Amino acid sequence: GENVEQHPSTLSVQEGDSAVIKCTYSDSASNYFPWYKQELGKGPQLIIDIRSNVGEKKDQRIAVTLNKTAKHFSLHITETQPEDSAVYFCAASTSGTYKYIFGTGTRLKVLA
Amino acid sequence: DAGVTQSPTHLIKTRGQHVTLRCSPISGHKSVSWYQQVLGQGPQFIFQYYEKEERGRGNFPDRFSARQFPNYSSELNVNALLLGDSALYLCASSDWMNTEAFFGQGTRLTVV
Repeated sequence: GENVEQHPSTLSVQEGDSAVIKCTYSDSASNYFPWYKQELGKGPQLIIDIRSNVGEKKDQRIAVTLNKTAKHFSLHITETQPEDSAVYFCAASTSGTYKYIFGTGTRLKVLA
Repeated sequence: DAGVTQSPTHLIKTRGQHVTLRCSPISGHKSVSWYQQVLGQGPQFIFQYYEKEERGRGNFPDRFSARQFPNYSSELNVNALLLGDSALYLCASSDWMNTEAFFGQGTRLTVV
């Protein structure tokens, strides 16, 4: 069935360093890949997304890359700050279905 | 502009009881989806509604039901509550022409 694997489950980085979170999806029909940041006690917040017709997208310190052949996509955060500490989820979906398959999450801790 | 609003924010119920959770989507959004997030895991898809019709259903028992009203708000109902139903229930709204989904803060349900 549909599945999204996410690694690592926890990640600690020093403030100012970069962080990379990787996901692999199983459904080759997936064509939309959002990333969410979830802080304690809150709902997931959309931070960046990418569609299958694009290989890379960047928004300030955040970037996402997509390799359709390998069914991999990754989140890159540069110049990390303590406020980046949260749980990050990747997801995959197919246009028109609105059903998101989420990864298991990565707890990012940025050490000051 | 108001985001996705969910009520109540917290709820404690006894096994066997029934619960109703409510969601108001972002103004102009016609699609509402419901997700269950168990502690330490990614959200799991329960239902998706568009224009009052069910568009998708996840792998949840018939104890779970939902509906969407003419103003596009939605209710999630769970009957015969089990301890395992304890989770954060998330509502997401989206525009039919887009696949970006925006989540509410969730309803934390505890079944005792």
